[in-house]
Amino acid sequence: DVVMTQTPPSLSVAIGQSVSISCKSSQSLVASDKNTYLNWLLQSPGRSPKRLIYQVSKLDSGVPDRFSGSGSEKDFTLKISRVEAEDLGVYYCLQGTHLPRTFGGGTKLELK
Amino acid sequence: EVQLVESGGGLVQPGRSMKLSCAASGFTFSNYGMAWVRQAPTKGLEWVATISYDGSSTYYRDSVKGRFTISRDNAKSTLYLQMNSLRSEDTATYYCTSNRYWGQGVMVTVSS
Repeated sequence: DVVMTQTPPSLSVAIGQSVSISCKSSQSLVASDKNTYLNWLLQSPGRSPKRLIYQVSKLDSGVPDRFSGSGSEKDFTLKISRVEAEDLGVYYCLQGTHLPRTFGGGTKLELK
Repeated sequence: EVQLVESGGGLVQPGRSMKLSCAASGFTFSNYGMAWVRQAPTKGLEWVATISYDGSSTYYRDSVKGRFTISRDNAKSTLYLQMNSLRSEDTATYYCTSNRYWGQGVMVTVSS
């Protein structure tokens, strides 16, 4: 199985601060169709997960452009510019290239 | 508005069976592969099973292979998860997802 290593496990931030979350995979996530299936999800407290970004850097509709994704092959980053209160929760990366699908361990974003 | 509404969870004894359902609306269900993802209490997300848009292909994580069956009824826009020989480690909130959208989740507790 592809192991997704997500760091840091937690982040304490002030509103307005910018943060980055790293996700590294044990295998390349480039699929046979040349796409890279790496998603970022946010699970707000008490809620179900919500997809923010797909295929590394494509924002889902309605997701603020404060969020951005980057990376390639095995190394990916989620950046949140100017954190707002609604951004707090647990972020997960998810690889969709290989079966079984695997998630990172999560990064809990909390208020400082 | 897209909705995925899970049902069928609850308390079940070890070794018994349970069937989850996920009613989809607001999108063309028959065009999309679907999956079940679970989350044990206080833990991260874990992919369980995936089914292709037409039901012709299914994939399972090793720990549920031979015990769980994912299926769909495109005429009813409904996804299912038949869970047999349940174990305490299957205790979790189960989410159905189209990858883009997620349901609110349904709790399954396996305990005597």
